[in-house]
Amino acid sequence: GNSVTQMEGPVTLSEEAFLTINCTYTATGYPSLFWYVQYPGEGLQLLLKATKADDKGSNKGFEATYRKETTSFHLEKGSVQVSDSAVYFCALSEGAGNMLTFGGGTRLMVKP
Amino acid sequence: GAVVSQHPSWVICKSGTSVKIECRSLDFQATTMFWYRQFPKQSLMLMATSNEGSKATYEQGVEKDKFLINHASLTLSTLTVTSAHPEDSSFYICSAAGLVSYEQYFGPGTRLTVT
Repeated sequence: GNSVTQMEGPVTLSEEAFLTINCTYTATGYPSLFWYVQYPGEGLQLLLKATKADDKGSNKGFEATYRKETTSFHLEKGSVQVSDSAVYFCALSEGAGNMLTFGGGTRLMVKP
Repeated sequence: GAVVSQHPSWVICKSGTSVKIECRSLDFQATTMFWYRQFPKQSLMLMATSNEGSKATYEQGVEKDKFLINHASLTLSTLTVTSAHPEDSSFYICSAAGLVSYEQYFGPGTRLTVT
């Protein structure tokens, strides 16, 4: 079956530091890959996505590249802000039905 | 962009009572809706998938008689927690997907507390 593994948190960074959150996946075919962000007390918001190998998703300074050879979709941001503090979920979707498989989530805490 | 709403955003109920949570797609037709449960500091657990006009498909371990799901129209799905108990306290999140897009759009979640 499909699975998503992401680094455990919490990740604590100072403002303007570089962020990497690792995500690797296992899938039987060619999934679409997503990063979602969840702010405290809220639902999930789509941060970025990539639908095929070598695609780069980007939004709000965050980037992730779909690497088929390493089955990875690592999230990066060059300079984090306090407002980026949230939980980040890596996910994949494959086949009919749009079902998502989520990673365990990584909590990011950015200190001023 | 696609907007999904949930109502209520939070609810407190007494043990033994039933609670209904609504999930609406506001600006698109959702052929499929998903219900998730999230425990504190944990990932989302898919409870069930519902397609408009048909019975929901429940994930293994989810009691379908306890968590009643109805998807009566292309813009509305409801989750009813029947005979709620304190262990049902959780954050419930719905999402919706259209016929063409592979994306799910998430609601803001409903926090249920059973006392």
